[in-house]
Amino acid sequence: KAGVTQTPRYLIKTRGQQVTLSCSPISGHRSVSWYQQTPGQGLQFLFEYFSETQRNKGNFPGRFSGRQFSNSRSEMNVSTLELGDSALYLCASSPGDGFQETQYFGPGTRLLVL
Amino acid sequence: QKEVEQDPGPLSVPEGAIVSLNCTYSNSAFQYFMWYRQYSRKGPELLMYTYSSGNKEDGRFTAQVDKSSKYISLFIRDSQPSDSATYLCAFHPDTGRRALTFGSGTRLQVQP
Repeated sequence: KAGVTQTPRYLIKTRGQQVTLSCSPISGHRSVSWYQQTPGQGLQFLFEYFSETQRNKGNFPGRFSGRQFSNSRSEMNVSTLELGDSALYLCASSPGDGFQETQYFGPGTRLLVL
Repeated sequence: QKEVEQDPGPLSVPEGAIVSLNCTYSNSAFQYFMWYRQYSRKGPELLMYTYSSGNKEDGRFTAQVDKSSKYISLFIRDSQPSDSATYLCAFHPDTGRRALTFGSGTRLQVQP
């Protein structure tokens, strides 16, 4: 089975722009979570989607948003980019919404904001 | 106080050594305990997942949880150069909320 895929893998943007990142979960997985990883703050939870519904949201400003489509693919959007948004954005998928289920991570999208 | 404390390392050991990686946590609601391994430029990969105090073994890896002390450990026996990576502890509470709380990660280097 193919793993979680994320596109693009690398992205360079300038302050004030917006960006959309995409995540395709493992086939059959219906839950997708997003995390931000930075050297200073480590890995931090952004949001979780199951069956096209946002189930949980982390402590990030409203500039960060996401959605999930009927095929379980997910996108996250960051508007009005700031320098501090430079990070590795990781997507994780799991089969359902059971809270003991393992989350499988993709390779991430590395975003650089100039 | 941070919810999770993890020594950032780097930790450098010779091949074949026993490695001990540790995390302490302060949130009593954490009931599920994980260790992830992350290679450079890759996403985290789950190594161990446990929910009870005690030891859990999988090959060369042993996860140890002490809920009373709020302390978890990962032991790697017969360490190999391929074990060189960043190791992250992760937690989540016993509720429907599955957001993982991660430690900052310990960078491990196993010297051949």
